[in-house]
Amino acid sequence: NAGVTQTPKFRILKIGQSMTLQCTQDMNHNYMYWYRQDPGMGLKLIYYSVGAGITDKGEVPNGYNVSRSTTEDFPLRLELAAPSQTSVYFCASSYSSGGGHNEQFFGPGTRLTVL
Amino acid sequence: SQKIEQNSEALNIQEGKTATLTCNYTNYSPAYLQWYRQDPGRGPVFLLLIRENEKEKRKERLKVTFDTTLKQSLFHITASQPADSATYLCALDIHSGYALNFGKGTSLLVTP
Repeated sequence: NAGVTQTPKFRILKIGQSMTLQCTQDMNHNYMYWYRQDPGMGLKLIYYSVGAGITDKGEVPNGYNVSRSTTEDFPLRLELAAPSQTSVYFCASSYSSGGGHNEQFFGPGTRLTVL
Repeated sequence: SQKIEQNSEALNIQEGKTATLTCNYTNYSPAYLQWYRQDPGRGPVFLLLIRENEKEKRKERLKVTFDTTLKQSLFHITASQPADSATYLCALDIHSGYALNFGKGTSLLVTP
């Protein structure tokens, strides 16, 4: 199993550009998550999904959009990139049957800089 | 508002000693708490999960306690090794158990 994979690893965007961060997991997990991590800060939840077709906002959803058309993929879309979105983005997944009581598996992260 | 606090200062200890990291929380009634390890430039890796009705959990050299009265979890690494040097994150369930809220983490440095 590859686990959770993320692309790209690094990206530099100009202000106002848009992009999609890709996330794929091959563990048949029903739950998937997007976090951002700023230097010296904890992980902040952006969006999460409890299954295909179901998504919900986390703590910091503004400026982002997500979709979950398949169990495996959970892309994160940035529209009109801003310098405040410079961060490291982590995708994660877990298997849960009624409540997220299991461990989360994280991808390697995407380091995004907006100039 | 809900808050998770971990020691912001790095913890430096000598190899072979026991490292103890603290996670305090306020305005929470978590059903469970998790600990993760994060190495520089990498994603967090799950270590242990402890439920609200469990006082203590062990895994090899790791031990976690969970005191819901004090609203505190302690994470111990016994016989610490330089390879244990990393940042350790605690996380509590939110959103009706569907997601986690992470603390900022504590950096541990184990010197030979």
